[in-house]
Amino acid sequence: KAGVTQTPRYLIKTRGQQVTLSCSPISGHRSVSWYQQTPGQGLQFLFEYFSETQRNKGNFPGRFSGRQFSNSRSEMNVSTLELGDSALYLCASSARTANYGYTFGSGTRLTVV
Amino acid sequence: EDQVTQSPEALRLQEGESSSLNCSYTVSGLRGLFWYRQDPGKGPEFLFTLYSAGEEKEKERLKATLTKKESFLHITAPKPEDSATYLCAVQDSGNTPLVFGKGTRLSVIA
Repeated sequence: KAGVTQTPRYLIKTRGQQVTLSCSPISGHRSVSWYQQTPGQGLQFLFEYFSETQRNKGNFPGRFSGRQFSNSRSEMNVSTLELGDSALYLCASSARTANYGYTFGSGTRLTVV
Repeated sequence: EDQVTQSPEALRLQEGESSSLNCSYTVSGLRGLFWYRQDPGKGPEFLFTLYSAGEEKEKERLKATLTKKESFLHITAPKPEDSATYLCAVQDSGNTPLVFGKGTRLSVIA
């Protein structure tokens, strides 16, 4: 059974640019969550999508956005990149049934220079 | 607001020296408490989910326990390959996202 796939694994962008990250969840999982991980703040919740609808949103500026497609694949976009956006971006998928868990991908390491 | 505090921040053990990691939490109503292991440069790897006070789960050298206010991850006779950051997360009774602690960085020295 394939796990959660995130692409690309590494990305270097210049301040002011925009970036799009992709996440393919485990087959059959309809919920996809995104987290930002930095050494100082740990894992911070960005947003969650379920059946193409945003279910929850974290406390991040509007430069961070996401969407989910009908096949449950998800993308997140960050516009007007800032140096502080450098982080590991993690995607997690879940079946969202009773007694479910969240499976994480390996993440995308974004460096803004 | 849901909160999770993990202690200690870092722990250094000799191989075979058993110890426990702590996760204290505050939620309005607990749906689940999750433990993950994370190796450098990788995503968190799921270990356990605990749902109610008194519940215990085991996997190899790891045992997780849950009370109404905290969870412990007991590591028995650790090996160097157990070195990683261990993360605790909680989810309350609504359709809310996981809230993570900042983790405990465990180093096991041979």
